[in-house]
Amino acid sequence: AQKITQTQPGMFVQEKEAVTLDCTYDTSDPSYGLFWYKQPSSGEMIFLIYQGSYDQQNATEGRYSLNFQKARKSANLVISASQLGDSAMYFCAMRDAYSGAGSYQLTFGKGTKLSVIP
Amino acid sequence: GAGVSQSPSNKVTEKGKDVELRCDPISGHTALYWYRQSLGQGLEFLIYFQGNSAPDKSGLPSDRFSAERTGGSVSTLTIQRTQQEDSAVYLCASSQGGGVHREQYFGPGTRLTVT
Repeated sequence: AQKITQTQPGMFVQEKEAVTLDCTYDTSDPSYGLFWYKQPSSGEMIFLIYQGSYDQQNATEGRYSLNFQKARKSANLVISASQLGDSAMYFCAMRDAYSGAGSYQLTFGKGTKLSVIP
Repeated sequence: GAGVSQSPSNKVTEKGKDVELRCDPISGHTALYWYRQSLGQGLEFLIYFQGNSAPDKSGLPSDRFSAERTGGSVSTLTIQRTQQEDSAVYLCASSQGGGVHREQYFGPGTRLTVT
């Protein structure tokens, strides 16, 4: 079964508007971490934001916030006041106790390509 | 501070040749990961090193792939007898130890093209 699902292959947003990128996950482990990464055309994976399964508050980092709905197993990324430089691929990822033989490697979704329109 | 570095940034090789890809993690990070990103398969875990523990090789796709980490720092991923399906971007990441709550920081990747 797919552990991370990103249902939006591509999204468009007007500059200065907010946009939500969807991510749902599947795990039976009560302890897990959720991560969002940005991958611009240059190829580097840039860490954006982290949410722990026991965190009571939604994570925020500057213009990025994570809408964490634990019961729905949803961890959507919200980007406020979009900028042209936000155009990139965005990946949702998870680590749980089942992520490998103690390695806790990241399991990634297939990504969402965000295009910001001037 | 310096991030994760990888070399070379691009590598073109002929089918059947061996290649070595290098990763230099963030100083002080004990955990090191290799991933592969290809169009058809997305991002796949390959191998994990944590300190002096035995590596987790569960993601290596075949015995043509191997990796080592010397002195708990630099890592080299070796692909022997390369095949066209090995063409991909190979990403290295490091983190401050393992555990589910540690973020991983990625290098810029090595784009491998097998002709």
